[in-house]
Amino acid sequence: QQQVKQSPQSLIVQKGGISIINCAYENTAFDYFPWYQQFPGKGPALLIAIRPDVSEKKEGRFTISFNKSAKQFSLHIMDSQPGDSATYFCAATSRPGGTSYGKLTFGQGTILTVHP
Amino acid sequence: KAGVTQTPRYLIKTRGQQVTLSCSPISGHRSVSWYQQTPGQGLQFLFEYFSETQRNKGNFPGRFSGRQFSNSRSEMNVSTLELGDSALYLCASSSPSEHGYTFGSGTRLTVV
Repeated sequence: QQQVKQSPQSLIVQKGGISIINCAYENTAFDYFPWYQQFPGKGPALLIAIRPDVSEKKEGRFTISFNKSAKQFSLHIMDSQPGDSATYFCAATSRPGGTSYGKLTFGQGTILTVHP
Repeated sequence: KAGVTQTPRYLIKTRGQQVTLSCSPISGHRSVSWYQQTPGQGLQFLFEYFSETQRNKGNFPGRFSGRQFSNSRSEMNVSTLELGDSALYLCASSSPSEHGYTFGSGTRLTVV
């Protein structure tokens, strides 16, 4: 019940194309869904996040779509650039007592390659 | 402001030894979490500390332990190292007034 399933494992997109990564969860107690971007040799960096009371959130070229009834959420990268080539992780968590974000449960990651 | 600082960046240890990794969170952050990242298992939660108290623990053996000091700095210790402990160990800090976790660049531990 704690798992977050992410697909695809790898994705190749042409420059200017749309990259789409999907995640599904089972634990209905999750109330915060972040996406992280990780470059080689670096730790994951928070890209964008959404709460279940919102169906979509957009920040620049990055959009999260959230489907609460299906327990799925996805990351869309518009106008993909070679600099977007990285590993992307979805995650989910619930906040005990509203004080901090508790344990993040991560998807397995998607290696995105954007060809110039 | 300064990010999350993890030291050392790289470590090579022999099987059976023990190791201590250090994490300095962002100033003002009181929550520190540790994660293990491996190619096979991905990112797995180790434990979380908030104001020097362990609030949450992942499914790792007792050889993995941690602590948090009054200045919010945290250490994790792995005793009796095994080859399978080779991984990138990531520390993350957060604050209730901010959103999400900020990760450090990690400590790359290699057990030989």
